[in-house]
Amino acid sequence: DQQVKQNSPSLSVQEGRISILNCDYTNSMFDYFLWYKKYPAEGPTFLISISSIKDKNEDGRFTVFLNKSAKHLSLHIVPSQPGDSAVYFCAAGYSSASKIIFGSGTRLSIRP
Amino acid sequence: DGGITQSPKYLFRKEGQNVTLSCEQNLNHDAMYWYRQDPGQGLRLIYYSQIVNDFQKGDIAEGYSVSREKKESFPLTVTSAQKNPTAFYLCASSIAGSHTGELFFGEGSRLTVL
Repeated sequence: DQQVKQNSPSLSVQEGRISILNCDYTNSMFDYFLWYKKYPAEGPTFLISISSIKDKNEDGRFTVFLNKSAKHLSLHIVPSQPGDSAVYFCAAGYSSASKIIFGSGTRLSIRP
Repeated sequence: DGGITQSPKYLFRKEGQNVTLSCEQNLNHDAMYWYRQDPGQGLRLIYYSQIVNDFQKGDIAEGYSVSREKKESFPLTVTSAQKNPTAFYLCASSIAGSHTGELFFGEGSRLTVL
């Protein structure tokens, strides 16, 4: 049973436009959510997180939105840059258990 | 510099052999994790440990074993019982009980079974 789902395996966006990556979850007990970025043959790097008590968190070009009623979160990147081309993983966790569950990832390609 | 070191980066194994992947961290983090990445399946949790001498099974623990004798080290053994061990293995650490849940990852170890 996949508790964190990223239904789009890939996304192509023109440079300078907005990239929107989506993620759905099934467990309402998650109390924080994260986005990670991964380049080939490297470990993922942390991008941005959001607590379940908030509905938006912004860090520079990156904004994460959380809709708890829909069990949905999204990552907005604006403007998109060539260096943003990577695989993006959505993740969710419980602070009581230190266990984090990842989605299957979305490969973002930024085209010139 | 603080971080997580995984070794070896590439490893080849014959069927029936056990192999051990090393993971060392100098971040003074209490919690450590092993994930496996397969194409199209994201990161799946194998084992995690929140404190020395204690660890819990993740979602796909069968065929794997771990130990946590020191805070800095969390080695993963891929046993011959693991049916499909060829994958990219990632070790991570975090501050136990962190409310942001940020994981710090190593660069990964790619295991290929010949």
